[in-house]
Order: sequence, then structure tokens, then C-alpha cells
Amino acid sequence: KAGVTQTPRYLIKTRGQQVTLSCSPISGHRSVSWYQQTPGQGLQFLFEYFSETQRNKGNFPGRFSGRQFSNSRSEMNVSTLELGDSALYLCASSPLGGLRDEQFFGPGTRLTVL
Amino acid sequence: EDQVTQSPEALRLQEGESSSLNCSYTVSGLRGLFWYRQDPGKGPEFLFTLYSAGEEKEKERLKATLTKKESFLHITAPKPEDSATYLCAVQTNTGFQKLVFGTGTRLLVSP
Repeated sequence: KAGVTQTPRYLIKTRGQQVTLSCSPISGHRSVSWYQQTPGQGLQFLFEYFSETQRNKGNFPGRFSGRQFSNSRSEMNVSTLELGDSALYLCASSPLGGLRDEQFFGPGTRLTVL
Repeated sequence: EDQVTQSPEALRLQEGESSSLNCSYTVSGLRGLFWYRQDPGKGPEFLFTLYSAGEEKEKERLKATLTKKESFLHITAPKPEDSATYLCAVQTNTGFQKLVFGTGTRLLVSP
């Protein structure tokens, strides 16, 4: 069974630009979560989507947004990029996103903002 | 506010030298505690989930335990391939898929 895939793996952008990251969950998984990982803050929850609806949201500004498609694939968008947005963005999927569901992570997209 | 603290930040062991990693938490209702392993340049890899105090789980050289305030990841006779960052995360009443992570313990096992 294929794992979680994320594209692209690496991105370089400049301040003020916007970026879209993509995540394909494990086949059959309906819940997709996004995390930001930085050396200083560690892994921080961005949001979770289930059946095309955002169910949970972390404490990030509105510049960070996402969506989920009917095939469970998800995209994350960051507008008006800032230097502090440089990070590893991780996507995780789980079967139903319920209590006791394990999350399986993708390899991440490394975003560098110059 | 939900908080997870891991210690030590870094740990260096000789091959075969057993030790334990600590994860302490302060949360509003623990639903589950997760351990992940992360290698450089990769996403976290799931290891264990623990749900109630007193629960233990084992996998090869790793054993995870849970109390009401903390969890331990015991590494018995580690090998160099166990070198990685070990992350602890909690799932709380605020959202099932909203994992709150600690900052991890970087483990280096020397031959």
C-alpha cells in the first residue's frame, strides 16, 4: 500500500508570494492533517480535513488555508509569504480521523522563503 | 493550555547501553499518547499509541509506558540504527486529530 505522498518536496519562494502544497493520503484514508515543523517550535498543528470539511484548526493566521477534494487529496495554501514561514510542512492521513486513529505522515515539503 | 515536554533534548549512548526517554504532559483530558520516530529529512514514523495509565507496548528494542503525568520510551541494548529523533504527541479532548507534539529527543547511538 502506497504511503502518504507530498508534492513538491522542495520549494523556494520570495517574501510576498503565495504557495500551494499538495498531499495525497493513503488509499482509503479520509482524514488529512497538516503540520508545520521548525527547529524552534517543533511540530505545530495547522488544520485537519475530513470529507472535504475543516474539522480542527490550529493557531495560525488566516494566510494559511487548505482544502480537501472528494478523493481525499488535500492542498494547503500560504499567501503573502513571510521569512518565518520557512519550514517543513508535513501532511498526515488517518482512516477516519477519530479517537484512537493513528496518523501516518508523508515525507514533507521543505519551503524556503527568501 | 495543553503542553508536552520531552527530556533530555539530546542523548548519546554507546551501542548496547540501555536508557529511557521522558515525555511529560499537562493536558485537558488525555485521549491518547503517541510516540513517533523521525529520521533526518523524513516525516515522523508511527511507533506506539498508549491510552490509559499503566499501559505498556513493546516493539523490538523499544518499550513505551504511560502514567497519569508522563510516558517513558525505554530503549534496551540500542543499535546505531536506532539513532533518530523521538517525538511524543498527545491527543486531547480539543480535537481528535489535533496532535500536540513535544520538541523531541535526539538520540545518537555510537558503535
